[in-house]
Amino acid sequence: DAGVTQSPTHLIKTRGQQVTLRCSPKSGHDTVSWYQQALGQGPQFIFQYYEEEERQRGNFPDRFSGHQFPNYSSELNVNALLLGDSALYLCASSWYLASLTDTQYFGPGTRLTVL
Amino acid sequence: DAKTTQPPSMDCAEGRAANLPCNHSTISGNEYVYWYRQIHSQGPQYIIHGLKNNETNEMASLIITEDRKSSTLILPHATLSDTAVYYCIVRPIDYGGSQGNLIFGKGTKLSVKP
Repeated sequence: DAGVTQSPTHLIKTRGQQVTLRCSPKSGHDTVSWYQQALGQGPQFIFQYYEEEERQRGNFPDRFSGHQFPNYSSELNVNALLLGDSALYLCASSWYLASLTDTQYFGPGTRLTVL
Repeated sequence: DAKTTQPPSMDCAEGRAANLPCNHSTISGNEYVYWYRQIHSQGPQYIIHGLKNNETNEMASLIITEDRKSSTLILPHATLSDTAVYYCIVRPIDYGGSQGNLIFGKGTKLSVKP
């Protein structure tokens, strides 16, 4: 059973560029959440997608956008990159209509460096 | 902001029990306590969660005080591979919909030493 996968593993961009990160959820999951983790900090919630719609959003600017595909995979797009966008980007999957015992499963992350 | 308070770091000897405390004095009746850990350069990993009763699984035990204002995660026999950052998270359960997303603090960095 494949877990959550993310690509690429590492990425280097320059300020002002745009980036797209990809995530495939754990088999059977239909919901994808994205988190940003700066060095030395805990992950911060960006947004969540279910049924190809953004369902929840954290305190992130509109430069951060996403998409979910019919196969439940997801993309995170960041426009006009800033140095402060350098971070580990984590994807987590779950069932939307989950039982009380459900949890989120995280992928290994994509390390983005903005120069 | 995170609704939990944890010590920034702790040490534990290999083979001994590791007891990680967490304060969540403003927890609401519909909020669970979750624990995740993050080994260096990996994604967070679910450990355990509970509402008000003590819980145990193959990884750890969770002890929640009667007033629910604090909890302790117990790793009964810590190994070197348990070295990680441990996050205590209070999470609302939305009955009938998404369970809400995780609000992480800075966690406790546990170092297990030989």
